[in-house]
Amino acid sequence: KNQVEQSPQSLIILEGKNCTLQCNYTVSPFSNLRWYKQDTGRGPVSLTIMTFSENTKSNGRYTATLDADTKQSSLHITASQLSDSASYICVVSAKSTGRRALTFGSGTRLQVQP
Amino acid sequence: NAGVTQTPKFQVLKTGQSMTLQCAQDMNHNSMYWYRQDPGMGLRLIYYSASEGTTDKGEVPNGYNVSRLNKREFSLRLESAAPSQTSVYFCASSEALGTSNYGYTFGSGTRLTVV
Repeated sequence: KNQVEQSPQSLIILEGKNCTLQCNYTVSPFSNLRWYKQDTGRGPVSLTIMTFSENTKSNGRYTATLDADTKQSSLHITASQLSDSASYICVVSAKSTGRRALTFGSGTRLQVQP
Repeated sequence: NAGVTQTPKFQVLKTGQSMTLQCAQDMNHNSMYWYRQDPGMGLRLIYYSASEGTTDKGEVPNGYNVSRLNKREFSLRLESAAPSQTSVYFCASSEALGTSNYGYTFGSGTRLTVV
């Protein structure tokens, strides 16, 4: 069964600090991995997407890494801001058609405090 | 450019009542989806529509029905609501179904409480 596990479940950091969120997956065959940001009361919004051959992808202060051998990804947030407070969801796509294409992690809830 | 629009944003139902959640997208996407999000769990697929005129079950279809009214609109119906259907429901769309190199655009969600 395809699974995506994220850690930690929740995290509190001070504004200006860095943090790293983890994602381990067992989705096979692997197609791509996305990180989404979900603000409270809103739908998820895509931050980055990485395919098998990509190790690192940046989007502003967000940097995602992928190790396809160990099936691990991380999302690093640099110089956190209050607006970074949200849930971050790791989503892994399998090379298949239909409903089994996406597997969602349960997310990491990040709170940035002043 | 509205993207994916869901209505209503909030709803409280009594057990046994029925209701329809509406979803519309203006990006000319072919595929549309309904997910539910429960605390501590990832989004789970209820139903999806690969293209206009087709619908298919996802992981958790029991208790729900869907209609792909046209290319823009995809509705989710609860015929007889149960407390277990208390959740946040998200509609999403993408250019096509499949390997998902295409991005998913999500609506802002409907928070449903069944009492």
